[in-house]
Amino acid sequence: EAQVTQNPRYLITVTGKKLTVTCSQNMNHEYMSWYRQDPGLGLRQIYYSMNVEVTDKGDVPEGYKVSRKEKRNFPLILESPSPNQTSLYFCASSPGTLAGVHNEQFFGPGTRLTVL
Amino acid sequence: AQKVTQAQTEISVVEKEDVTLDCVYETRDTTYYLFWYKQPPSGELVFLIRRNSFDEQNEISGRYSWNFQKSTSSFNFTITASQVVDSAVYFCALSEAQQQGGSEKLVFGKGTKLTVNP
Repeated sequence: EAQVTQNPRYLITVTGKKLTVTCSQNMNHEYMSWYRQDPGLGLRQIYYSMNVEVTDKGDVPEGYKVSRKEKRNFPLILESPSPNQTSLYFCASSPGTLAGVHNEQFFGPGTRLTVL
Repeated sequence: AQKVTQAQTEISVVEKEDVTLDCVYETRDTTYYLFWYKQPPSGELVFLIRRNSFDEQNEISGRYSWNFQKSTSSFNFTITASQVVDSAVYFCALSEAQQQGGSEKLVFGKGTKLTVNP
């Protein structure tokens, strides 16, 4: 089954304790990205990756890191989480822009993170 | 700059009523893509439709239909004969073709929460 998986689905942690949220897709997609969803703000892009070893900042990158060492994986790293990073996080993937066409983005199930 | 406005924060209807969710967008690009996603209470994001800026044909898929009007920068979504299972938050999103770094960033509206009561 074609899918995007995220782990963990739920996480409660404390300020300053480094954590990683994993994201993996099995569709051989080139493009992957991370969004956070907050009440009243909708979804905002954190980081994106066009392909292996190619990553760039989205609209709200502060406090986050990413890496893309393999095509299928795109982990989100919070080196020193703070309470304002409490949010619902979504990973997404798409085939990439072929001839400038933007395709549907497939979203993972979400990770609900609480930072105390 | 890209912007999507969903003016209706919450809508409540009774089953079998028709309901239209409004979406107005802003962009300077001539080539762009519009999307609708559904987020049911379980939290996942479900893709509903993608439309490019050169295709103004309306689309119907079962009880769902979409009205794309470039003249008013709107991409409205209508559910006919609503059902309880349609209760969800619905997001409209925009992606400009020419984004820095080749990003396919989706700019989302804040969503409309639809409640369909039995």
